[in-house]
Amino acid sequence: DAKTTQPPSMDCAEGRAANLPCNHSTISGNEYVYWYRQIHSQGPQYIIHGLKNNETNEMASLIITEDRKSSTLILPHATLRDTAVYYCIVRPDNKLVFGAGTILRVKS
Amino acid sequence: DAGVTQSPTHLIKTRGQQVTLRCSPKSGHDTVSWYQQALGQGPQFIFQYYEEEERQRGNFPDRFSGHQFPNYSSELNVNALLLGDSALYLCASSLGGPRETQYFGPGTRLLVL
Repeated sequence: DAKTTQPPSMDCAEGRAANLPCNHSTISGNEYVYWYRQIHSQGPQYIIHGLKNNETNEMASLIITEDRKSSTLILPHATLRDTAVYYCIVRPDNKLVFGAGTILRVKS
Repeated sequence: DAGVTQSPTHLIKTRGQQVTLRCSPKSGHDTVSWYQQALGQGPQFIFQYYEEEERQRGNFPDRFSGHQFPNYSSELNVNALLLGDSALYLCASSLGGPRETQYFGPGTRLLVL
């Protein structure tokens, strides 16, 4: 399974953009990049996914580098409710393989 | 639009007992995946059901078994419970097959004493 590397934690000021990086240098050509987040003791929440092109939805934007070896999740205007563990996942097949994720703390 | 629901929300069992956890997928979804999340760790894939068959299985012993019903709901059964089975058990559903986006339920927290 392709491995992802994320910083263990990040801080962000409320109202500012949160940029969460992820390295996935061993990604294969047909593997999607997924982002989920998990607020304490709740089930993971789907955020966004992509293959090659940048993607945007109502929650976030996903920027994937041209060589697909890294990506960045962007929360454009972080709020206190965005404080959570963010997981970057390279999906090899039917399952999702979760790593340790990044703890994002949004501070007022 | 009903999301993924799981029951019960919390459960306490003793070592050696058996437990059954239930999952109702998001409305219209036909695929169910189960994950185990130990405290402080990311979720780990147990298995996935589609068209009432187990499609993929993670690295879990045979004590973990499952079933999917014709209405797409699913059960996770764990036999001979161990202390290490204490965890949050998560169900995720998707529409249109095993490779589609998975949406998670709130989980069932199991404590084995």
